[in-house]
Amino acid sequence: NAGVTQTPKFQVLKTGQSMTLQCAQDMNHNSMYWYRQDPGMGLRLIYYSASEGTTDKGEVPNGYNVSRLNKREFSLRLESAAPSQTSVYFCASSEASANTIYFGEGSWLTVV
Amino acid sequence: QKEVEQDPGPLSVPEGAIVSLNCTYSNSAFQYFMWYRQYSRKGPELLMYTYSSGNKEDGRFTAQVDKSSKYISLFIRDSQPSDSATYLCAMRGYGGATNKLIFGTGTLLAVQP
Repeated sequence: NAGVTQTPKFQVLKTGQSMTLQCAQDMNHNSMYWYRQDPGMGLRLIYYSASEGTTDKGEVPNGYNVSRLNKREFSLRLESAAPSQTSVYFCASSEASANTIYFGEGSWLTVV
Repeated sequence: QKEVEQDPGPLSVPEGAIVSLNCTYSNSAFQYFMWYRQYSRKGPELLMYTYSSGNKEDGRFTAQVDKSSKYISLFIRDSQPSDSATYLCAMRGYGGATNKLIFGTGTLLAVQP
């Protein structure tokens, strides 16, 4: 019972490099999310996808792009990484407008 | 001012103590109130969910919502070392701009054996 799977778990990037965080869910959920979690800031929504084929900006979208590849997969791309993007990233999924959001295990990203 | 305020702690209590965790909020449109628990180096998981005002009990956990004061609480009775985690409150309204979950910053709880 995998739930929400995200890769990689750990990554170190140099400033200016690009990378993609991958996320897949096996619960047949319509909605998927990318959050970042920083000390003292809590969980902040970067982008979300209410359904396959749609994406919308969250609270902190600058510097990120997303792709809802199909119903299962939702990727987050950093085109030109900056030290301010050092964070823990969580992918999540839910039924539409649900209060139960299922989170992945997190991806620890350090930009040097 | 943040929409949801939560004391980050850390909160350290002895095993068996009653723990009280709290959040305040400013948006009166919020109607759904959740508590998530996050163990170290893991993703958050839903612990309890309450709609509008009132109390909800689940085992050792009780969630309270006071919409008139814009204040929510999570009580843990007979706390155990396994309860050591970060507890995040979350809330949302219904429809429109308030439909997205807003999380508190989380309170780190340590239950000492």
